[in-house]
Amino acid sequence: GNSVTQMEGPVTLSEEAFLTINCTYTATGYPSLFWYVQYPGEGLQLLLKATKADDKGSNKGFEATYRKETTSFHLEKGSVQVSDSAVYFCALSSNSGGSNYKLTFGKGTLLTVNP
Amino acid sequence: GAGVSQSPSNKVTEKGKDVELRCDPISGHTALYWYRQSLGQGLEFLIYFQGNSAPDKSGLPSDRFSAERTGGSVSTLTIQRTQQEDSAVYLCASSVGGRAFFGQGTRLTVV
Repeated sequence: GNSVTQMEGPVTLSEEAFLTINCTYTATGYPSLFWYVQYPGEGLQLLLKATKADDKGSNKGFEATYRKETTSFHLEKGSVQVSDSAVYFCALSSNSGGSNYKLTFGKGTLLTVNP
Repeated sequence: GAGVSQSPSNKVTEKGKDVELRCDPISGHTALYWYRQSLGQGLEFLIYFQGNSAPDKSGLPSDRFSAERTGGSVSTLTIQRTQQEDSAVYLCASSVGGRAFFGQGTRLTVV
């Protein structure tokens, strides 16, 4: 079945540091890939997505590139801010095997950015 | 409505009691998910509904947990004989084309 593995946190960075949160996946067919973010006290929301190989999703300074050869979708940001402190979830959606776009999430990575 | 609505937002119940959690998905979304998020933990998949297909119940932790979705819209998650380890935030999401929209969750506390 499908699965998503992301680096375990927590991750603690200083403001303006470079961020990478690794995510790899296992899926049949051609999944779409997502990063969701959960800010403190808020619900999960979509951060960015990519629907095919070599696509780059980007939003709020975050980027992730769909790498089919390495089955990865690592999240990066060049300079984090305190306001980026949140839990980040990698996810995939695949309609293979009759599962009709069922979403599969990683366990989440807690990011804390200190001033 | 404009988003996924869950009720109640908070529920405190005594151990051994049954609880029902409600989710109103976005109109037209055929897929609906229930997840559980315990303090400091990630998302734990519980159940997935897709249209008229049989639900994927593979994530339900025990037979005390059940869920239904009536008319392809509103869903109810029922926990019977609640235990303290059931305390968590229960999240509902609906989706179309793979993108999920989450509700604010129901925080369940079993005392």
